[in-house]
Amino acid sequence: DIVMTQSPDSLAVSLGERATINCKSSQSLLYSSNNKNYLAWYQQKPGQPPKLLIYWASTRESGVPDRFSGGGSGTDFTLTISSLQAEDVAVYYCQQYYTSWTFGQGSKVEIK
Amino acid sequence: EVQLVESGGGFVQPGGSLRLSCVASGFTFRNYWMSWVRQAPGKGLEWVANIKYDGNDKNYVDSVKGRFIISRDDAKNSLYLQMNSLRAEDTAVYYCARLEDYFDHWGQGTLVTVSS
Repeated sequence: DIVMTQSPDSLAVSLGERATINCKSSQSLLYSSNNKNYLAWYQQKPGQPPKLLIYWASTRESGVPDRFSGGGSGTDFTLTISSLQAEDVAVYYCQQYYTSWTFGQGSKVEIK
Repeated sequence: EVQLVESGGGFVQPGGSLRLSCVASGFTFRNYWMSWVRQAPGKGLEWVANIKYDGNDKNYVDSVKGRFIISRDDAKNSLYLQMNSLRAEDTAVYYCARLEDYFDHWGQGTLVTVSS
């Protein structure tokens, strides 16, 4: 099984500042035949289901604000919130879909 | 608008059974793979099972193989999860999710509690 490890487990960022979450996979998520990274990011607010933010590592889902961006390739990925807003307080999960489907443990974003 | 509405959760003793349902609307259900994903209280997300659009391919996480059965009824736009031989570690919110390689739409979830 592919193991997904996120860092940090939690972070506190001031409003308007940048927040960055890292995600590392135990094996490469880059499929050579199509040059795509099989990696998604989700946002989960308290009491709500997860919401898809990013897929193929860097493609933003329709309706997701452009302050959210995804990057990386192979085994190392990042989710960046360029200017943190109050409504971005949530737990963020990375997830691989290269082989089966597994999630990272989650990273909690709070306001400093 | 895509909507997924789960039901069937509740309290059950260890060794018992429960059947979850998910009714879909807002898209052509028969064209999509569908999944169940669960989240234990205060914990992270775990994919449980998925089923191909024609029902002919089913996959399960190892921890539920032989105990859970995923199925679908395209005439009713419905997805099901039959859960047998339930254990305390199956306690979780169970989400129905549409599978597009990744999970692009999720229901609100239904809580299953396994306890004596």
